[in-house]
Amino acid sequence: KAGVTQTPRYLIKTRGQQVTLSCSPISGHRSVSWYQQTPGQGLQFLFEYFSETQRNKGNFPGRFSGRQFSNSRSEMNVSTLELGDSALYLCASSLGRQGPTREQYFGPGTRLTVT
Amino acid sequence: AQKITQTQPGMFVQEKEAVTLDCTYDTSDQSYGLFWYKQPSSGEMIFLIYQGSYDEQNATEGRYSLNFQKARKSANLVISASQLGDSAMYFCAMREVNRDDKIIFGKGTRLHILP
Repeated sequence: KAGVTQTPRYLIKTRGQQVTLSCSPISGHRSVSWYQQTPGQGLQFLFEYFSETQRNKGNFPGRFSGRQFSNSRSEMNVSTLELGDSALYLCASSLGRQGPTREQYFGPGTRLTVT
Repeated sequence: AQKITQTQPGMFVQEKEAVTLDCTYDTSDQSYGLFWYKQPSSGEMIFLIYQGSYDEQNATEGRYSLNFQKARKSANLVISASQLGDSAMYFCAMREVNRDDKIIFGKGTRLHILP
């Protein structure tokens, strides 16, 4: 079974631009979560999508948005990029069952650099 | 207050020795899950082991075992017979069923295995 895939793997953007990152979950998984990882803040939860609906949201400004398609693929968009948005963006997929379950598999990440 | 505390920012261990990575957590929920992930320099988050709060036995996965002490809110990862390939960042994480279901990560421990 193929793992979680993220595209692109690396991205360089300029301040003020916008960017879209893509995540394809493991086949059969209906939940996709997004995380931002920076050296200063560590790993922080952005949001989770399940069956095309945002189910959970972290404490990030409205510049960060996402969506999920009917095939469970998810995209994350960041508008008006700031230098502080430079980070590794990880997505994770799971079956989406509520409650503490073991399956939460991560993709390789997209490394975004804002100059 | 931090939900997940990893007190060892870095560790150096001789190859073939056993390693214990510390993790304490804070929750008032009765139902939660605890995870350990490994992150090599490539950035991908690799799932290692999972412990549910109601699991009576300590989780084991090959060379990895989780020393779960519920009363002390401790979930230490034990790696037996360490290998050079174990050098990486290790994250302890928790998922609380009543807190939006997202995963909260600790700051991580960087493990260096010496030949």
